[in-house]
Amino acid sequence: AQSVSQHNHHVILSEAASLELGCNYSYGGTVNLFWYVQYPGQHLQLLLKYFSGDPLVKGIKGFEAEFIKSKFSFNLRKPSVQWSDTAEYFCAVNARGDYKLSFGAGTTVTVRA
Amino acid sequence: KAGVTQTPRYLIKTRGQQVTLSCSPISGHRSVSWYQQTPGQGLQFLFEYFSETQRNKGNFPGRFSGRQFSNSRSEMNVSTLELGDSALYLCASTLSGQGNGETQYFGPGTRLLVL
Repeated sequence: AQSVSQHNHHVILSEAASLELGCNYSYGGTVNLFWYVQYPGQHLQLLLKYFSGDPLVKGIKGFEAEFIKSKFSFNLRKPSVQWSDTAEYFCAVNARGDYKLSFGAGTTVTVRA
Repeated sequence: KAGVTQTPRYLIKTRGQQVTLSCSPISGHRSVSWYQQTPGQGLQFLFEYFSETQRNKGNFPGRFSGRQFSNSRSEMNVSTLELGDSALYLCASTLSGQGNGETQYFGPGTRLLVL
């Protein structure tokens, strides 16, 4: 079974600061990796995903993530955050050929104007 | 294209009662998964249905059950409710659920409060 670990529980930033959220997973096989975001009062939305090819993936709203296979990591980055990026961010993984997503505990990001 | 819809959005029940939650997937999607979200345990997989068949179930007691209809709509049922069942129940749909990088699209959830 897969497990997902997100390094930070709560991150507080000022607008224009850079953001990096850590995510590590444990699974020996091939995986698909996802970052979802949950804005206040809204449902989970996909930010970006990786399943093959270029390990640097770009998503919506200026987010990107890098898959480092040797480190079992899939860290999320954004060079300059906005107040509207205040949300909870979830890293998720499923094994290739599986549909069940295993989620990390989530990181709450608060961006101060 | 309409997204995943869930009904009802909010529900209050008392211990010992049972509850049925409904999920309508995105049109054309045949796989429906259910997740429970709580502050303490986070997001946990409940079960997944494809073509009216349950393909896998998470680590939840038998009080949690579900089904899928021929139009891919799905229901989940919780019998003999306990206080700890208070949670946000999320439904997600994918086209085929083959796990080849397919995106799971989530609904807004049903917030269940057990008193």
